[in-house]
Amino acid sequence: EPEVTQTPSHQVTQMGQEVILRCVPISNHLYFYWYRQILGQKVEFLVSFYNNEISEKSEIFDDQFSVERPDGSNFTLKIRSTKLEDSAMYFCASSPGPRGEADTQYFGPGTRLTVL
Amino acid sequence: GNSVTQMEGPVTLSEEAFLTINCTYTATGYPSLFWYVQYPGEGLQLLLKATKADDKGSNKGFEATYRKETTSFHLEKGSVQVSDSAVYFCALLRRGGSQGNLIFGKGTKLSVKP
Repeated sequence: EPEVTQTPSHQVTQMGQEVILRCVPISNHLYFYWYRQILGQKVEFLVSFYNNEISEKSEIFDDQFSVERPDGSNFTLKIRSTKLEDSAMYFCASSPGPRGEADTQYFGPGTRLTVL
Repeated sequence: GNSVTQMEGPVTLSEEAFLTINCTYTATGYPSLFWYVQYPGEGLQLLLKATKADDKGSNKGFEATYRKETTSFHLEKGSVQVSDSAVYFCALLRRGGSQGNLIFGKGTKLSVKP
């Protein structure tokens, strides 16, 4: 069964450093998402992406964040200058379509980001 | 606005007990509703979904019915197993406009004892 994959599984970085989190969505999916979950809190939407551009973003997704689909398979989340409060589990998700039966989002296993 | 409210956990049950995890939502329009499960140390897995009123989603013995009149999507299982121990998240996907984002509840941790 096809699945979303994410690398690395755990990333430790120093405050102020740039990090890139990588995701490979399910191959025939067209819509891509990033969510995050701070330890013990709810899963929060960051950004959605379709046709090589951002469709929607939350208040969390400020200028420090960017997303890119550099090739036909990868989908990346970049944090330019990490802060302590960026420490969280970051989930990538993909869906075949935006609504109807195609709106189910499938999640990757997550990348745990620790900012020291 | 859109929101999801789940019952507070943790919930501790004995094996073969009946499970209910309450979920209510607030949304404009008619969202799709989902239950996701997060096993210890793992990511989010889709458990079941329902896309319109009175739909029943089911999977692995779990069920939830989309109740528009009570804006609820309670998760139930008749006989839980130790392997069901996990955190369960109720979520809605609003419809209309551009592609939607999932709005999650806070999650309910379930522990099943042998």
